[in-house]
Amino acid sequence: GQQVMQIPQYQHVQEGEDFTTYCNSSTTLSNIQWYKQRPGGHPVFLIQLVKSGEVKKQKRLTFQFGEAKKNSSLHITATQTTDVGTYFCSNSNSGYALNFGKGTSLLVTP
Amino acid sequence: DGGITQSPKYLFRKEGQNVTLSCEQNLNHDAMYWYRQDPGQGLRLIYYSQIVNDFQKGDIAEGYSVSREKKESFPLTVTSAQKNPTAFYLCASTGGMTRGYTFGSGTRLTVV
Repeated sequence: GQQVMQIPQYQHVQEGEDFTTYCNSSTTLSNIQWYKQRPGGHPVFLIQLVKSGEVKKQKRLTFQFGEAKKNSSLHITATQTTDVGTYFCSNSNSGYALNFGKGTSLLVTP
Repeated sequence: DGGITQSPKYLFRKEGQNVTLSCEQNLNHDAMYWYRQDPGQGLRLIYYSQIVNDFQKGDIAEGYSVSREKKESFPLTVTSAQKNPTAFYLCASTGGMTRGYTFGSGTRLTVV
């Protein structure tokens, strides 16, 4: 399946700092979905982006889809300890199943 | 409340044995999926099913088998042919790709 690459693999921040994870593809993506997985838990759907240049916000989380639809980002403002987990981007160019990136693991220390 | 139930939560298997992981959903979703998660590897697709009595291989189907006899159920069998079965197995379903996946809580399989 089409691979999406995520960077960084790990990120350690102090509580209150901002955090950004990036998702990149060598080809144009039809859509991007973002998921969060808490330690020991299962992935939970956050959002889907479809349009070129799309920006969506969920409280302190801001999601962007690049103009060329080859990259996406998730930005968290003023991180909290509840933001700890692994954030995955994924896409479904085939329309049948999602291909996931390897994720960015976020650690927030108080 | 609707959701996906995976059982058991933890499973230990001896080498050479087949084992079946259960996945049941009451969300009335047509599509169901099995993913495998290893540390640092993200989620890799094993099998998926778009409709009852039909399923397709994913990227890493070797050593696994599935069935979809009922809309609610999509069991995964890990056979003795799977060389590295120790992993976290996640089942998911969706009522439409734009709505995202709903995941079960997963089964941690360990070969002893």
